[in-house]
Amino acid sequence: NAGVTQTPKFQVLKTGQSMTLQCAQDMNHEYMSWYRQDPGMGLRLIHYSVGAGITDQGEVPNGYNVSRSTTEDFPLRLLSAAPSQTSVYFCASSYSSGGTISYNSPLHFGNGTRLTVT
Amino acid sequence: EDKVVQSPLSLVVHEGDTVTLNCSYEVTNFRSLLWYKQEKKAPTFLFMLTSSGIEKKSGRLSSILDKKELFSILNITATQTGDSAVYLCAVENAGNNRKLIWGLGTSLAVNP
Repeated sequence: NAGVTQTPKFQVLKTGQSMTLQCAQDMNHEYMSWYRQDPGMGLRLIHYSVGAGITDQGEVPNGYNVSRSTTEDFPLRLLSAAPSQTSVYFCASSYSSGGTISYNSPLHFGNGTRLTVT
Repeated sequence: EDKVVQSPLSLVVHEGDTVTLNCSYEVTNFRSLLWYKQEKKAPTFLFMLTSSGIEKKSGRLSSILDKKELFSILNITATQTGDSAVYLCAVENAGNNRKLIWGLGTSLAVNP
């Protein structure tokens, strides 16, 4: 009954370092997404995917890359971390089928990764 | 510009009180409105509302949507300390992706 699993829970990076935030789900959800949550800004969509091999940009994609090689995994890469990327990152998934989103299925969130960039 | 506004931003009540949280929205093409509860970690799903006037209920929590006046309320009756959390409202646009517009949340503290 794992649901959406994110690793690591906490990470501190120096400016310019790279890292990958991991997200895995075991619910066979084709739709997966990454959000960042900042005080006073609410949740903002970074990237999303409607199935393996398909990704697209959300509202704040700059500085982040994603790939989707399997249904289960959706890693988020920071190529060159900046202090502006200090945030809490959430991965979320929902049911979809054949690349068609099921809009009656709510998003299920992971527990988040708290990232600090110094 | 699409937006979701929640009020109040924060609220402190005593156990047993009833609270009403508000969510108003302006979106170009409405699909659904969702309520989530966020404690320390992941937002957890409460309700999805798509039709006006139909109350959704789960235990002491209930919610209703008014698509004419563009708002929703979340009611919590007989509050308990375990209800302390941030309650998030999001509205989904009827586009071809899952674009949700999120409010900033209402922080609820229930004191014993």
